[in-house]
Amino acid sequence: EAGVVQSPRYKIIEKKQPVAFWCNPISGHNTLYWYLQNLGQGPELLIRYENEEAVDDSQLPKDRFSAERLKGVDSTLKIQPAELGDSAVYLCASSLGVAGRPEELFFGEGSRLTVL
Amino acid sequence: GEDVEQSLFLSVREGDSSVINCTYTDSSSTYLYWYKQEPGAGLQLLTYIFSNMDMKQDQRLTVLLNKKDKHLSLRIADTQTGDSAIYFCAPAVSGGYNKLIFGAGTRLAVHP
Repeated sequence: EAGVVQSPRYKIIEKKQPVAFWCNPISGHNTLYWYLQNLGQGPELLIRYENEEAVDDSQLPKDRFSAERLKGVDSTLKIQPAELGDSAVYLCASSLGVAGRPEELFFGEGSRLTVL
Repeated sequence: GEDVEQSLFLSVREGDSSVINCTYTDSSSTYLYWYKQEPGAGLQLLTYIFSNMDMKQDQRLTVLLNKKDKHLSLRIADTQTGDSAIYFCAPAVSGGYNKLIFGAGTRLAVHP
């Protein structure tokens, strides 16, 4: 069975340009997460979806970041315009999302963004 | 909010035991997880412990939890070169759903 698929793996852009990342979660996983991982740091949650609803986007910088999960499956994360400080790895994860139970998150390999 | 601290680096000899330590601040954490990240790969769940347990053993892995001191540790017995990776401590804070707060990770280097 395929795991969480992300694209592109690497992206280099100039500052002020837009960029988009795509994620295809594991089939049947209702919950989808986007995390930001800076160099030498742990992942930080940007947004969490339950099906197509964004249930936690409190840490998403909404002035330049946006995300969508149409039809509750694939998701895209967009940055417009990108800033130098956005250089990081953007991780997508999915889970079954069963409340009150230990929850295993399955992570994709990430999309590494470099902003010049 | 939750603060999670880990030592950044650990070097061990192949065959020895590794102990990775983590401290956290939110005493309401229900589940506490350990994830592993190999170079260029996403994170992978290693094991977890429920907050009402003191210890959990899973093959070469032993998790110890001291709730009073808010201290979590991961022991890897008979450490192998394939265990070289970054290990993240991630307590789940309560509040609607189990939200994971990741530490900065401990880079484990295993040498012959």
